[in-house]
Amino acid sequence: GDSVTQMEGPVTLSEEAFLTINCTYTATGYPSLFWYVQYPGEGLQLLLKATKADDKGSNKGFEATYRKETTSFHLEKGSVQVSDSAVYFCALSVNTDKLIFGTGTRLQVFP
Amino acid sequence: GAVVSQHPSWVICKSGTSVKIECRSLDFQATTMFWYRQFPKQSLMLMATSNEGSKATYEQGVEKDKFLINHASLTLSTLTVTSAHPEDSSFYICSANPQGAKETQYFGPGTRLLVL
Repeated sequence: GDSVTQMEGPVTLSEEAFLTINCTYTATGYPSLFWYVQYPGEGLQLLLKATKADDKGSNKGFEATYRKETTSFHLEKGSVQVSDSAVYFCALSVNTDKLIFGTGTRLQVFP
Repeated sequence: GAVVSQHPSWVICKSGTSVKIECRSLDFQATTMFWYRQFPKQSLMLMATSNEGSKATYEQGVEKDKFLINHASLTLSTLTVTSAHPEDSSFYICSANPQGAKETQYFGPGTRLLVL
């Protein structure tokens, strides 16, 4: 079945460091891919998405490129801030509004 | 805009009692609402999809008689955990899909349930 695998956390970085959170997927069809972020005490928020191969989603300095050949959608940011500390979820949907999530990766950024 | 609220944010109950969790879309109408369950260090697992005015569609392995879902209006869905047991303790999250907005879900902050 369809699934999402993302790297376990926590990921601990110093401010201004480069961030990569890996995400790979398995899907029977052609999925749309998403990154959601959950800040402490808040609900999940859509961070970015890509709907077809080679699309790049971007928002708030974060980027992820839909790589069909490697079935990946890795999240990157060139310079993280303390305020980026949160849990990041990779997710997919295939022809429906139903989302399939990865396990989430906690990011901790220290000054 | 696009705020989804859940009430209560946390609840502790005795084994055998029933607990109702509300999910509201505050500033938009939601054709579809989703209920998820999240265990520690695990992903969100979709429990059911509810459409306003119709019966919920449950995912495989989710007991529909235990997890009662009512979507009586375009802004409110409720999840009732009936005869709760300690194994039902979890974090329950709802999301709402606005009318006409495909692949868009706005999430509530979640409800933590602890069954003693």
